[in-house]
Amino acid sequence: ETGVTQTPRHLVMGMTNKKSLKCEQHLGHNAMYWYKQSAKKPLELMFVYSLEERVENNSVPSRFSPECPNSSHLFLHLHTLQPEDSALYLCASSYRQPFTRGNEQFFGPGTRLTVL
Amino acid sequence: AQTVTQSQPEMSVQEAETVTLSCTYDTSESDYYLFWYKQPPSRQMILVIRQEAYKQQNATENRFSVNFQKAAKSFSLKISDSQLGDAAMYFCAYKRPTGNQFYFGTGTSLTVIP
Repeated sequence: ETGVTQTPRHLVMGMTNKKSLKCEQHLGHNAMYWYKQSAKKPLELMFVYSLEERVENNSVPSRFSPECPNSSHLFLHLHTLQPEDSALYLCASSYRQPFTRGNEQFFGPGTRLTVL
Repeated sequence: AQTVTQSQPEMSVQEAETVTLSCTYDTSESDYYLFWYKQPPSRQMILVIRQEAYKQQNATENRFSVNFQKAAKSFSLKISDSQLGDAAMYFCAYKRPTGNQFYFGTGTSLTVIP
């Protein structure tokens, strides 16, 4: 595998389910990100991890719980979601600050989440 | 917070023609980075081109070039000799030199007509 991978690619869950999204990067990066992508809205940054430490949490509801066990893996644990949480969830990675400067973020293919 | 505006939700271009996608941004900083990302249908978002604000010269990557107008806070993407594979959502993004956050626009959906 190369780049940033995400599993599953598609997920349908009920409001009472618990599921997890997985992201893995093979680029040697040490910062990882979760974004929410909804139609006609800018990408919403949810969480940032730098060297496995959460450095940003942009007022995300507690029904989303991130986990970063090492610099290559990132999880997003989901529980008691709402229909409005249906979206494409993107994972990205990059080099961490202060090395980010103009370095780009590399994105995974995303998980298309549907909450019934 | 920085905002990035893409005023064209949808654009279309004939194959082999040229198209320009618009992007404006709001910032009070003098040093920053601007990016155009491409997201093909059901595929990963990839970087198309990057511009450093302190460089006056417009960035170019093969058929892709930008028109960076710092004073006007404008960063448009020009795609020359459009190809069918250019069909995608295009996102403009802003980043400060420090910190981790990218600020994205709402995207422009580009259709290439054969």
